[in-house]
Amino acid sequence: AQRVTQPEKLLSVFKGAPVELKCNYSYSGSPELFWYVQYSRQRLQLLLRHISRESIKGFTADLNKGETSFHLKKPFAQEEDSAMYYCALSYYGNNRLAFGKGNQVVVIP
Amino acid sequence: DAGVTQSPTHLIKTRGQQVTLRCSPKSGHDTVSWYQQALGQGPQFIFQYYEEEERQRGNFPDRFSGHQFPNYSSELNVNALLLGDSALYLCASSFLRGLDTEAFFGQGTRLTVV
Repeated sequence: AQRVTQPEKLLSVFKGAPVELKCNYSYSGSPELFWYVQYSRQRLQLLLRHISRESIKGFTADLNKGETSFHLKKPFAQEEDSAMYYCALSYYGNNRLAFGKGNQVVVIP
Repeated sequence: DAGVTQSPTHLIKTRGQQVTLRCSPKSGHDTVSWYQQALGQGPQFIFQYYEEEERQRGNFPDRFSGHQFPNYSSELNVNALLLGDSALYLCASSFLRGLDTEAFFGQGTRLTVV
């Protein structure tokens, strides 16, 4: 069965400091990996996906199939980055998403 | 486009009752998936509807059932409610056959079972 692990529940960082959210997955096939974000009082929304290889709002994530990881990184945290972040994978190419438990990021001014 | 809309936003039910939650997908989307998000947890996949049929199902009992209508909107029904069914229920829509299969989420329905 597929599983997504996000080890740290709460991450507090100072503004301007780097942010790294760890995500490891277990899956026997070739999954598609995502990071979703939920800002306060807003709906869950896609931040980035590994197939697009984009940098969104300064965030990047690289899929490491050898380590089965998809860590999210940003070199300089901003206050508006305070949010809940979920790593997720889909399989069978059909948008059935398996989520991790999420990381609460708090950026301290 | 209002995006994915869910109703109601909040609901309180008594143990043993039945509940129906509703979801209207984003315009142009044909697939609806439902998720349960317990407090402090990530969303858990319940099932997915496409072409008015349940196509996939997660590890949820038969008390959880659904329906998709010809206009692609969907309902989630839960029978014989348990206290443990208290959660945020999220609906996500996508276009299954499209080049971009990004899932868009609604705001959710907060169900409290007392």
